Amino acid sequence: GAVVSQHPSWVICKSGTSVKIECRSLDFQATTMFWYRQFPKQSLMLMATSNEGSKATYEQGVEKDKFLINHASLTLSTLTVTSAHPEDSSFYICSARDPVHSGNTIYFGEGSWLTVV
Amino acid sequence: KQEVTQIPAALSVPEGENLVLNCSFTDSAIYNLQWFRQDPGKGLTSLLLIQSSQREQTSGRLNASLDKSSGRSTLYIAASQPGDSATYLCAVARLGNAGNMLTFGGGTRLMVKP
Repeated sequence: GAVVSQHPSWVICKSGTSVKIECRSLDFQATTMFWYRQFPKQSLMLMATSNEGSKATYEQGVEKDKFLINHASLTLSTLTVTSAHPEDSSFYICSARDPVHSGNTIYFGEGSWLTVV
Repeated sequence: KQEVTQIPAALSVPEGENLVLNCSFTDSAIYNLQWFRQDPGKGLTSLLLIQSSQREQTSGRLNASLDKSSGRSTLYIAASQPGDSATYLCAVARLGNAGNMLTFGGGTRLMVKP
């Protein structure tokens, strides 16, 4: 079945540096992918919609200059956290849908734990 | 703005019990509703998806119902097992964008004790 993969699963970075998280659809093409963030013991919050070949759409309150999203191909979207701070430490997860084979079921990546020290 | 609420926030039961997890949403104009399972530190696994035109879906020991007019969904777990211990999230898909954009509830943390 459809699989969405994220890399890395865990990353620790120093405050002030940037870190990139990849989201790949392994056996289907996804023109749209979605990025969520989850703080401990809280639910997932949609951050942005990643659109292949065009600019991402950000949810209210999400800084687009801080969370750079690039969707350069039909199988890859990247989220770059720029100038990371400890408060950016969170679980980041992406999702995509395979409209051709899987109808309306949305598939999520395994998630990426970011710790900023 | 859609708001999704899950009750209870946490639940601890002995093995073998039948469970009901509740989800409510404020805007009934939804595309579909999906129940997910999340193990600690892991991603989400889709359990059941109910289209807005449907009233329930079943998969094994799981049954999910949807009452769109009242803004409610329930996830019924029969004969619970320790392996069912996880956080269960319900998510409502907005109309538009083919239902890809989800609003999540806060989740119910379930522990099934042997």
